[in-house]
Amino acid sequence: QQQVKQSPQSLIVQKGGISIINCAYENTAFDYFPWYQQFPGKGPALLIAIRPDVSEKKEGRFTISFNKSAKQFSLHIMDSQPGDSATYFCAASMLPGNTPLVFGKGTRLSVIA
Amino acid sequence: ETGVTQSPTHLIKTRGQQVTLRCSSQSGHNTVSWYQQALGQGPQFIFQYYREEENGRGNFPPRFSGLQFPNYSSELNVNALELDDSALYLCASSPGPSYNEQFFGPGTRLTVL
Repeated sequence: QQQVKQSPQSLIVQKGGISIINCAYENTAFDYFPWYQQFPGKGPALLIAIRPDVSEKKEGRFTISFNKSAKQFSLHIMDSQPGDSATYFCAASMLPGNTPLVFGKGTRLSVIA
Repeated sequence: ETGVTQSPTHLIKTRGQQVTLRCSSQSGHNTVSWYQQALGQGPQFIFQYYREEENGRGNFPPRFSGLQFPNYSSELNVNALELDDSALYLCASSPGPSYNEQFFGPGTRLTVL
């Protein structure tokens, strides 16, 4: 049973455009939602994370939008750059932190000039 | 501050063999988690170690085992390797088991022939 569903599987965006990746979760006990960025041959790097007490969190060009009632959250990358080309994973876990991260299947983002 | 390191980078084994993968946690982090990432998939939780004890386990068979040492470094051992064990094995550390944030190493690419 896949607890975190991520879409789309792949995404091509023009340089300067907005990249949007969506995730939906099933377990209402989840209350920590991070996004990870992974370049080929590297491990995932924590990009930004949100807890369900807020509906939006912004860090630079990256924004998480969170909809608790719909059990959905999304990553928006503003002014997308070729250097943003990577695979992005959403994940979820429960407090306290000794519960594992449950990952989506990933979205391969390509930003073209 | 030193990040999470893993060794070796790549490894090729044959079916039925045993393998040991190693991880050094980020400075100040005492909790280590191991994940398996199959090609084109998100990471899947194998187990977590805290204070040299297993502190949670995912849906992996007993032939996947681990150790954590007093310096918080960790090993993942896999016995009786199967072809499906071919994957990127990721180690992640965190400041403690109550922390959600996990920081990943670059991974070990295991190929089973």
